[in-house]
Amino acid sequence: SQKIEQNSEALNIQEGKTATLTCNYTNYSPAYLQWYRQDPGRGPVFLLLIRENEKEKRKERLKVTFDTTLKQSLFHITASQPADSATYLCALGGGVGGGADGLTFGKGTHLIIQP
Amino acid sequence: DTAVSQTPKYLVTQMGNDKSIKCEQNLGHDTMYWYKQDSKKFLKIMFSYNNKELIINETVPNRFSPKSPDKAHLNLHINSLELGDSAVYFCASSLTGGRAQYFGPGTRLTVL
Repeated sequence: SQKIEQNSEALNIQEGKTATLTCNYTNYSPAYLQWYRQDPGRGPVFLLLIRENEKEKRKERLKVTFDTTLKQSLFHITASQPADSATYLCALGGGVGGGADGLTFGKGTHLIIQP
Repeated sequence: DTAVSQTPKYLVTQMGNDKSIKCEQNLGHDTMYWYKQDSKKFLKIMFSYNNKELIINETVPNRFSPKSPDKAHLNLHINSLELGDSAVYFCASSLTGGRAQYFGPGTRLTVL
């Protein structure tokens, strides 16, 4: 069955540093990968989407890479701020092993940016 | 001007009851979804639906049924509620073809 692993349940980073979150997957060949942010008591908020034929995407301080050979995505937040503290979810969709447009989510990484 | 809204925000009910959760989106999207987030915060797809097709996650009990009166609404009906149904349910919408999904604020269902 499909499996998505995100690195560590919690990640502590000093303010101003780059936070790097990892998403690994098995038994899946997704057509695209998305990253979402979730704050306590709220719904996930879309951040970035990267398709299988793309290597890297950027948006302001965010960068995502997608390596379909390694079956891995890295999500970077540069110049991190305490306001970036949240749970970040990796989600895969489409392709072989996926159903319609529904996303398969990882369990998330709780990122804490310390002042 | 809320993009995806859900009602109610909280739902507390007894085992065996039947309940519904409503979802509306004003984004003009053609695909809507229901997700379940359990106590361990694991988010799982239950249904995806557009005008042409309903895709059901095979692990979802048939006590759960989505109903779509129109493109902007996808309601979730749950029959014979069980303790294990307690979770946060999220509605989401997107354009078809692997686009960004926009989530509602969630409905916390507690079955006693």
